[in-house]
Amino acid sequence: SAVISQKPSRDICQRGTSLTIQCQVDSQVTMMFWYRQQPGQSLTLIATANQGSEATYESGFVIDKFPISRPNLTFSTLTVSNMSPEDSSIYLCSVIPGGGTEAFFGQGTRLTVV
Amino acid sequence: GQQVMQIPQYQHVQEGEDFTTYCNSSTTLSNIQWYKQRPGGHPVFLIQLVKSGEVKKQKRLTFQFGEAKKNSSLHITATQTTDVGTYVCVLYGNKLVFGAGTILRVKS
Repeated sequence: SAVISQKPSRDICQRGTSLTIQCQVDSQVTMMFWYRQQPGQSLTLIATANQGSEATYESGFVIDKFPISRPNLTFSTLTVSNMSPEDSSIYLCSVIPGGGTEAFFGQGTRLTVV
Repeated sequence: GQQVMQIPQYQHVQEGEDFTTYCNSSTTLSNIQWYKQRPGGHPVFLIQLVKSGEVKKQKRLTFQFGEAKKNSSLHITATQTTDVGTYVCVLYGNKLVFGAGTILRVKS
């Protein structure tokens, strides 16, 4: 299993600014992911955070808008850059511990852009 | 990439009634997972199905994987208010692909 601490839990931000979300895992994990969940929608994968190399982004998501850091196997950050109201959403990090197939999620960050 | 269609989108049942949600794919799936997301919460893993025709039970929840491995279902017997949430089928590979989910509301 894995326990994930995600911060902040919520924030209200001005348009044009950036917010960095942090996820700390209680164990080393190779597979780490960032998702967006828009109101009333299911989870959409933004990118896979790779330790020691650039993140792998899904179609529709770009590094300039959502830069990701993964300095080690227990920590990652996602930055939402140059925010607009359309970025208002819940952002979640997730890990799949080695040897398993079950995904564990952080508590999520509820972002409101005004 | 692979995708799944999940139906219904929404179901509102009386407490004690049964509930079923279905996931369908046009291609053969290697496996399928089910997660539950409570309102305001994050997804929580329920189960993974791998074998053709597999049936697994967790108390009042029954999970099935179709013989052709192109569909799956989750059935809840005698729903309770604690069952409220969104039930989502998920494809597991080198990443997770989430279905749209079925929102379950239970009237007491």
